Amino acid sequence: ELKVEQNPLFLSMQEGKNYTIYCNYSTTSDRLYWYRQDPGKSLESLFVLLSNGAVKQEGRLMASLDTKARLSTLHITAAVHDLSATYFCAVDIAGTASKLTFGTGTRLQVTL
Amino acid sequence: DGGITQSPKYLFRKEGQNVTLSCEQNLNHDAMYWYRQDPGQGLRLIYYSQIVNDFQKGDIAEGYSVSREKKESFPLTVTSAQKNPTAFYLCASIPGLRAGYGYTFGSGTRLTVV
Repeated sequence: ELKVEQNPLFLSMQEGKNYTIYCNYSTTSDRLYWYRQDPGKSLESLFVLLSNGAVKQEGRLMASLDTKARLSTLHITAAVHDLSATYFCAVDIAGTASKLTFGTGTRLQVTL
Repeated sequence: DGGITQSPKYLFRKEGQNVTLSCEQNLNHDAMYWYRQDPGQGLRLIYYSQIVNDFQKGDIAEGYSVSREKKESFPLTVTSAQKNPTAFYLCASIPGLRAGYGYTFGSGTRLTVV
């Protein structure tokens, strides 16, 4: 059974600081997705990582994938309050009809 | 604009009642999914459908039923057999399997048992 673990589960950080969210998964996969969820809202797609070594950046967020280590990271640079949200990683395994297994999420709170 | 429409946004269910959540997409996507989210938790897969008139159970299908009579529509019925249905329900779709696209999600339906 595929397990996807994120850490930390909760992160409080000051504006201007850097931090990294980690996503570990238990079974070989070459596809990993990052989503953002604002309170009471749906999920918004942030990044799609499709191969080992993939790196994608959008604004202050950068995501990477190491399939050998079964690890993805979401790095936050110089955090701003607007980044406050819950971030989910999700993994897709070949032969599973693109069923995503989600991590439990990391709730990020950026304080002034 | 293309997207996924879920309705209603809020739904209240009495004990022993069946309710149906609507999910409609105009993206011409082949595959559709239903996920459940409990407070402070990740998403869990209820049912999914890869093509019209075909669907498969996910990890927590007990107490739920679906149909896929049209490509655009994938309604979810929460039956009285689902003992703890209070949750946030999200519908999603992708163009094709393993195409490397992230899911497109609907805005969700928040179901509460009263």
